[in-house]
Amino acid sequence: KQEVTQIPAALSVPEGENLVLNCSFTDSAIYNLQWFRQDPGKGLTSLLLIQSSQREQTSGRLNASLDKSSGRSTLYIAASQPGDSATYLCANSGNEKLTFGTGTRLTIIP
Amino acid sequence: EPEVTQTPSHQVTQMGQEVILRCVPISNHLYFYWYRQILGQKVEFLVSFYNNEISEKSEIFDDQFSVERPDGSNFTLKIRSTKLEDSAMYFCASSLGRLPTDTQYFGPGTRLTVL
Repeated sequence: KQEVTQIPAALSVPEGENLVLNCSFTDSAIYNLQWFRQDPGKGLTSLLLIQSSQREQTSGRLNASLDKSSGRSTLYIAASQPGDSATYLCANSGNEKLTFGTGTRLTIIP
Repeated sequence: EPEVTQTPSHQVTQMGQEVILRCVPISNHLYFYWYRQILGQKVEFLVSFYNNEISEKSEIFDDQFSVERPDGSNFTLKIRSTKLEDSAMYFCASSLGRLPTDTQYFGPGTRLTVL
């Protein structure tokens, strides 16, 4: 059974700093890896989807990488802004469903 | 940009009552999903639906749950006799193609509170 873990559970960073969020999964038979953002009481916004054949994807200040051999993905956020404050979730995209991690609650300090 | 919508945003019900949560997926999408998130816990998969039938369901999705696409636009989740532990945020999602190749798009969620 696929387990997805995110460390740390919470992170506070001063505005302007670069940061990395981590995601690890137990089953190397990963299909795709997707990163989401969740604002308090809100839905899930897809940020990046990395296909299993890819190693990274970039969108603006966000860069996500995937290392299937080590069972890890990272989300790099450059030049953080207060608007980046949210919970970030990674999810393994298997057949028919997503398996989510526990999330990292990110706070950017102005 | 097309988006998934869900109604109501918040539903309060008494234990033992039936509830129906409604979703309007993105119009040309073919695959539909329900997930739930109990407060402070992970988002969990409930069920996937394609071609008017369930294609996969989790152990959470027992006989108390059912899904339906009653017309060409709505996708509903029914809980027949709600329990306290059904209190959660319920998310609907849709995708054009089948996972894992396609991205799922999520609705804003319905917060269900069972008293």
